[in-house]
Parts: sequence; structure tokens; C-alpha cells
Amino acid sequence: AQTVTQSQPEMSVQEAETVTLSCTYDTSESDYYLFWYKQPPSRQMILVIRQEAYKQQNATENRFSVNFQKAAKSFSLKISDSQLGDAAMYFCAYSGGGADGLTFGKGTHLIIQP
Amino acid sequence: GAVVSQHPSRVICKSGTSVKIECRSLDFQATTMFWYRQFPKQSLMLMATSNEGSKATYEQGVEKDKFLINHASLTLSTLTVTSAHPEDSSFYICSAGQGTGNTIYFGEGSWLTVV
Repeated sequence: AQTVTQSQPEMSVQEAETVTLSCTYDTSESDYYLFWYKQPPSRQMILVIRQEAYKQQNATENRFSVNFQKAAKSFSLKISDSQLGDAAMYFCAYSGGGADGLTFGKGTHLIIQP
Repeated sequence: GAVVSQHPSRVICKSGTSVKIECRSLDFQATTMFWYRQFPKQSLMLMATSNEGSKATYEQGVEKDKFLINHASLTLSTLTVTSAHPEDSSFYICSAGQGTGNTIYFGEGSWLTVV
């Protein structure tokens, strides 16, 4: 079974600074998808960024980028120029694709200090 | 963009009764939908995979007779919590995927409180 590990229960960063959230996973598959989701207090799950395992290039979405290390099974999220609106729970998730549901890590609570 | 809608957003029911939560894909057809449960300050746990026109696939430890899933059309899946107990109180959220690129959309979630 696949597992996703987020070792940082909570992270704090000053506004406008950069923060990196870590995520490791375990799988025996070679093809899969990795995600970072943001969950604000409203509980709505918001997709931040998505990476296909077969792509070597790291995904980027504006201020959000990932460092995908397939051999190390690592998938960290970097948030640049942190904003107050970035404060939320962040979940790393794995999917084998197709009809597979998501396996989530335990989450990292991100606090933005003004 | 694609939207997945859940209803109701909040529901309170008495112990021993049943409650139904709906998950709809509004502008795309979803042959597969997923149901998750999230306890306070915890992560999302996959409960089951809802398959249109066939039986749902439940994750280990999830009681299929308690959490009934029906996926009667390509745009609607329902989760019925039967004989609800206070320990079933939780946040339930569904998701649906679109296309081969594995783009996944989540509903808004439903808070269930059993009193």
C-alpha cells in the first residue's frame, strides 16, 4: 500500500519570505501522480499543484513550485513570497491514477506571520 | 471549470436514524467518485470508491452496510450513513476525476453531527 508522510505538523514563516513543506511517499509503482492541496478553515480542498511522475521537470504554479525527487520519493512544496492568504493546512497526496483515490499525508499547518 | 457539488453542507441527525449526502458533478460525467472522511485536526481518509452502475469498492475497515454508496448516474453519487451513532459525526467530502490527466475536483464537504 502507498503511504504519504509529512513530517512537519506545523510551519511558520514571515510574510514575503519563502517556506518549504516536505513530503515523502512510498510506492512500488513507476507511474503515478502527486498533489499538494490547501485546506483553509472552510475545509474546501484547493489544488495547489500537481506532478506526473513520468515528468522530470518540476511543476510550477506562480509562487508555488515543487522539488520532485523520484528516486528519493520526495515531493516538497516551496511557497515563495508568502502571503497572509496562504495560511492553511497543506496536504500532500498520492494517486496511482485512473480509478485510484488519493492517499493523503497528515498535513502541515502553515502559519504566516505578518 | 469543472465543479463538484455536495449537499447538504451541514446536517444534524438523531442517533439511530439514517442520513444521505449527495455528490454531484455539475458539468462533466464521472464514472468514478470517491468518498473521504475527515475527523477534526486530522487528514482525509479514503472510505470508498463509487463506481457508476456497479458496487462501490470500500477501503479496509469501512463498514459497507453502514456507509451505503449508490452511484446511479454519471453525475450523482450518494453516501447514506445508516443507523447513525455519535461517533459517525465527522466531515465527509467527495471528489470526482475528469479525463485521462487525472484532474480531481472536490466537493465542498458535508458536516455530519449525530446527537
